[in-house]
Amino acid sequence: DAKTTQPPSMDCAEGRAANLPCNHSTISGNEYVYWYRQIHSQGPQYIIHGLKNNETNEMASLIITEDRKSSTLILPHATLRDTAVYYCIVRARGKIYGGSQGNLIFGKGTKLSVKP
Amino acid sequence: GAVVSQHPSRVICKSGTSVKIECRSLDFQATTMFWYRQFPKQSLMLMATSNEGSKATYEQGVEKDKFLINHASLTLSTLTVTSAHPEDSSFYICSATGGGGGYNEQFFGPGTRLTVL
Repeated sequence: DAKTTQPPSMDCAEGRAANLPCNHSTISGNEYVYWYRQIHSQGPQYIIHGLKNNETNEMASLIITEDRKSSTLILPHATLRDTAVYYCIVRARGKIYGGSQGNLIFGKGTKLSVKP
Repeated sequence: GAVVSQHPSRVICKSGTSVKIECRSLDFQATTMFWYRQFPKQSLMLMATSNEGSKATYEQGVEKDKFLINHASLTLSTLTVTSAHPEDSSFYICSATGGGGGYNEQFFGPGTRLTVL
């Protein structure tokens, strides 16, 4: 799986949009960009994923650059409950054969602090 | 979305005892389950991958005789920490992916915090 680079921490004012960047310059053509978040002392929560088109769901939007070397996760109206560590992960979305193939490799992520 | 549960959520045990952690997929059949470990202020580290009905595949550096994994059914995987020691104290998280053959997302359990005294 390709490596990703994220800023270690970010602050955001409550009600404002939170824009979390991620660099993945070595991403392969068949690799997707996934975003998960982990609220303190809980398991990771899936947010969104994409291949090359921008994606939006009820939680967030994912903007992927045309060259696919970077992406931005956007939380449109951050709340205090969005305070968490956000992980950007790239992996091939292929069949799960077992072993290490298909699992998610977690980096250090970005600790987002939403402040009142 | 798919729900994965873990039991117990928190366990405290004495050094030298064994602890079993259960991971269940509640509304889907999990052909593959993953076990992660997370130490304080660190990221998740994959320990092993288990496919239903076959032996688990362990990541480098993870002792398979210490961390016993059983994936006997499509909805249940167990992790047994044998002869636990204080350095095994950690947050253990499982994830599951299901369906018959691929292109499936991973869904995570809430985690189990193990404290070995």
